[in-house]
Amino acid sequence: EVQLVESGGGLVQPGGSLRLSCAASGFTVTDNYMTWVRQAPGRGLECVSLLYSGGTTSYADSVKGRFTISRDTSKNTVYLQMNSLRVEDTAMYYCARPSSWYNFYYLDVWGKGTTVTVSS
Amino acid sequence: DIQMTQSPSSLSASVGDRVTITCRASQPIDTYLNWYQQKPGKAPHLLIYAASSLQSGVPSRFSGSGSGTDFTLTITSLQPEDFATYYCQQNFMTSWTFGQGTKVE
Repeated sequence: EVQLVESGGGLVQPGGSLRLSCAASGFTVTDNYMTWVRQAPGRGLECVSLLYSGGTTSYADSVKGRFTISRDTSKNTVYLQMNSLRVEDTAMYYCARPSSWYNFYYLDVWGKGTTVTVSS
Repeated sequence: DIQMTQSPSSLSASVGDRVTITCRASQPIDTYLNWYQQKPGKAPHLLIYAASSLQSGVPSRFSGSGSGTDFTLTITSLQPEDFATYYCQQNFMTSWTFGQGTKVE
């Protein structure tokens, strides 16, 4: 069964750091794009980072220079290193796997999410 | 970034109603448009990809249309389990962006 399980969320002070993990099963992360999508309380969805199968990365302007997406092939896990955290980074963070049909990409596998709260 | 604007932000409907949600892109995106359903406390769930292709397992009462800048999600006969928030998302350019959501209540 294809599954994503996030962990690593928690309460952190502004300026602090957290590393989120997304353990994948049923498929190999290196063969796929992987992405982190967040949702602030009562708000909409924001794709914060994308990791291409070839290793190239992409970030939303709101997190560029502060967040880093990476993967560990031996653990079949994707990470999101979050530094210099701000109050506005408070959100549920979802790991998601994009699938493709020709050049069309869509997020068909999602984890349950992990909560990040940035507060003093 | 490409901005996605949904309308309305919320709507009130009854079981059996036909519901239409629109999504407009700030620039042409061909048919690089997906639709998701999200229920409270749950992750989003893919309904439609490439503007009009129904994801496997999704009921046929859901349909999508459009290309360029204007898109539509239609629910032909609203069921009790369809009360949720719906999001459009473009994958024409990274970073991928979502609409602000439409709550069906």
